[in-house]
Formats: sequence, structure tokens, C-alpha cells
Amino acid sequence: NAGVTQTPKFRILKIGQSMTLQCTQDMNHNYMYWYRQDPGMGLKLIYYSVGAGITDKGEVPNGYNVSRSTTEDFPLRLELAAPSQTSVYFCASTWTRSYEQYFGPGTRLTVT
Amino acid sequence: KNEVEQSPQNLTAQEGEFITINCSYSVGISALHWLQQHPGGGIVSLFMLSSGKKKHGRLIATINIQEKHSSLHITASHPRDSAVYICAVSHMNYGGSQGNLIFGKGTKLSVKP
Repeated sequence: NAGVTQTPKFRILKIGQSMTLQCTQDMNHNYMYWYRQDPGMGLKLIYYSVGAGITDKGEVPNGYNVSRSTTEDFPLRLELAAPSQTSVYFCASTWTRSYEQYFGPGTRLTVT
Repeated sequence: KNEVEQSPQNLTAQEGEFITINCSYSVGISALHWLQQHPGGGIVSLFMLSSGKKKHGRLIATINIQEKHSSLHITASHPRDSAVYICAVSHMNYGGSQGNLIFGKGTKLSVKP
């Protein structure tokens, strides 16, 4: 199993551009999450999904959108990128909330 | 005040030393997680526990639910243990967003040879 994969690994965006961060898991997990990690701060939840077709906001959803059309994929969309969205983004998945989460390798995004 | 507090923020140790990282939390939880973030950035789950103690190799995690406190111990530390160790808790109530993880800021450990 590949586990949780994320693409791209690195990306530089100009202010106002848009992009999609891809996340795929092959473990048939119901729950998927998007986090951002800023220097010196704990991981913050952006959006999460409890199954295909179901998504909900986390702690810091502004400026982002998600969709979950399949169990495997959970893309994160950035519209009108801003410097405040410069961060490292992690996707994670798990069977249920009572189990450990499996993390992807992360995407380092810089908005200039 | 953060709901999950870790101490120390930074820790430098000599190879072979016994290491303790602490985590305190202020909410009712269903489980506490310890995660390791490698220097390259990847995050892996080390432990998930809701009571008592768990051991895996040289790593030991303990939790005291009454005191809302957990510790991660590393015995006979080695330079390859150098990483950021992250404590996270999941709320006691599973409804809605309550079951999602709340993360501490992490403890950066450096083990010198």
C-alpha cells in the first residue's frame, strides 16, 4: 500500500493564483483531514470529511474549499492565494476517530 | 490558553540519556496521541492511549487521566531520535467536530552523539 500520498511536494504561487492540492489514500479510510502547519504552531485543521460526499469545516477554513467525491481522494482547493496561506499542508486519514491517523508527506506552499 | 501544552519546547540531550517530554491538556478526552515529525517533515503516529502505559521499543508513553497529563519517555536516546514530538488529544464527545484532534506545538528534540 502507498498509504497517503500528496502532490505536489513543493509549490510557489503568486498572490491571486489558484491551485489544488491533491490527496489520495489507498487504505479505504472513511475519515480524511487537511491540516496546515505554520512555524512554531501546532497543526490546525482546515477541513475534514467523514465519508464520500460529506465534508465539514475545521478551525481555519477561510480561503479553502474541499470535495470528497470518492473514498480515496480529498483535494484541497485554494482560490485567490494570499501570503497568509504560506504554510506546510498535511493530509491525513483514518478508519474512525478512535484510531490513529496516517499522514501524507506534506506540501510546502509559498505564496509571494 | 492552548488546550494542549507541551514542555519543554526544545530539548538537547547527549546520546544515551533518558528523555521525558510532557503534555498537559485542559479538555475531556477520549484518547491522547503521540506523533513524531522527522527532520524531513513526515509525521508518524507513535502511540494512541486512553489509560495507563504503552511501550514500543525504547519509547514509553504514560497517561494520567485524573491529572490530565501524559509523558513520553525515550530510554537510551540516540541521534536518530532527533525529531519533533507532537502531543494531540481527541475530545471526549465524538459528535461533530468534537472528535477531531487538537495538537500541541511540539517539542523539538536534538540528541548529540
